[in-house]
Amino acid sequence: RKEVEQDPGPFNVPEGATVAFNCTYSNSASQSFFWYRQDCRKEPKLLMSVYSSGNEDGRFTAQLNRASQYISLLIRDSKLSDSATYLCVVNIHEIYNQGGKLIFGQGTELSVKP
Amino acid sequence: EAQVTQNPRYLITVTGKKLTVTCSQNMNHEYMSWYRQDPGLGLRQIYYSMNVEVTDKGDVPEGYKVSRKEKRNFPLILESPSPNQTSLYFCASSLYAGEGNQPQHFGDGTRLSIL
Repeated sequence: RKEVEQDPGPFNVPEGATVAFNCTYSNSASQSFFWYRQDCRKEPKLLMSVYSSGNEDGRFTAQLNRASQYISLLIRDSKLSDSATYLCVVNIHEIYNQGGKLIFGQGTELSVKP
Repeated sequence: EAQVTQNPRYLITVTGKKLTVTCSQNMNHEYMSWYRQDPGLGLRQIYYSMNVEVTDKGDVPEGYKVSRKEKRNFPLILESPSPNQTSLYFCASSLYAGEGNQPQHFGDGTRLSIL
């Protein structure tokens, strides 16, 4: 079983749609959580961190459920420019102060159409 | 401008010919790492370094070497490249290792083809 699992998609949605991505992680030592965005053949870029209480940044909302080991990203009113691959990323701290290890999901591809 | 710089961006070479991909960051970050990205497998960590002279294996270290003699540089060395190392490689850095919600800054990527 992969440590971080995402639905690879692709998700094809019309402009203005609301789309949700889900991610599950298997290591209970996971401490920090992120969503990254990656455009085709480009480097991943941090979209937002995910906090336990849930957090919002404009049209983007991230949620964390530690009990279920589940992370989500909601995009409202999707734009053409949202087309990209969205990577769920988990930072595992197995040994305190020995440094974390980032585990990337394989990514979910989103295509927003006019 | 804060950045992570990788070179070369593209390289086609042959099996067995040693190569080095350089990575440099100008943000005084302590933590640096190398990833490879392959279709269907996502990003996998090759090696990481928590500070100068401190390096450790990631998930897929076989066939690779790294060094961290200076804080800003973290080269990836393929002593004897093989076709299964054909991939897209990313170098990344962050201020510290393992602490809370901090982003990793990625280089633009290096596309390696080993024939």
